Amino acid sequence: DVKVTQSSRYLVKRTGEKVFLECVQDMDHENMFWYRQDPGLGLRLIYFSYDVKMKEKGDIPEGYSVSREKKERFSLILESASTNQTSMYLCASGSTPVYEQYFGPGTRLTVT
Amino acid sequence: DQQVKQNSPSLSVQEGRISILNCDYTNSMFDYFLWYKKYPAEGPTFLISISSIKDKNEDGRFTVFLNKSAKHLSLHIVPSQPGDSAVYFCAANQGSSNTGKLIFGQGTTLQVKP
Repeated sequence: DVKVTQSSRYLVKRTGEKVFLECVQDMDHENMFWYRQDPGLGLRLIYFSYDVKMKEKGDIPEGYSVSREKKERFSLILESASTNQTSMYLCASGSTPVYEQYFGPGTRLTVT
Repeated sequence: DQQVKQNSPSLSVQEGRISILNCDYTNSMFDYFLWYKKYPAEGPTFLISISSIKDKNEDGRFTVFLNKSAKHLSLHIVPSQPGDSAVYFCAANQGSSNTGKLIFGQGTTLQVKP
C-alpha cells in the first residue's frame, strides 16, 4: 500500500518566517511533486523532482524552493512566508513513467 | 490562463442515477488525462485515466470519455452512490510522461443524495 506522509496536518506561521514542509514516500518513486490547492483554482504545481538533487519549477514557483537530498524525501521551503501563501499544500509521488500520482493528506498552512 | 477547465463548481444527483462531470482543455498536445477524487481532509486519490489515442475507458461504475476534436472529456458514474460525494478533479499530462507534470482543473463538488 503506497504511503505518502506529510510532516504536519496544520501549521500556523507568522509573516516573514521560514517554513519547512516535509514529505516522505515509501514506494521508492523517482518523481515527487508539491502542489497547492486553493478554492476555485484547483491544484497548482509548485515544484517537482524527478531524481535526487534534481528539481524543476512548476507553474507557480515564486516564493518557494525545494530540497531533495534523499529519494524518499522532498521538502518545500517558504523562504519568507507571506499571507498569500496561506493554502493547502499537497505532496505527491509517482514512478517513471508517471501516469498516476499518489498524494499525501495535505498540510493546511496559515500565515498570519 | 486556465488550460484545463471544469466549468461546473458543483453537481447534485440522486442516488442510483448517473453523474456526469465535464472537463474542457485548450492544449491539443496533452496526451494523457486523469480523474482524481478528493474527500475533505484527505489527499486526492486516482480514479481513472485515458490516453489521447483512445476515446473511452471503463472501470466498474466509472467511465471516462474523450472527445479530442472538441477538447472535452467527461466522467460518468453509474449508478451514483452517496459515498461518491467528493470533489472531482480532472488533470492533463502537460509534459513528458516520464515526469508526470500534471495540470489540474478547478474541481467539481459532487453531492449524491440518498
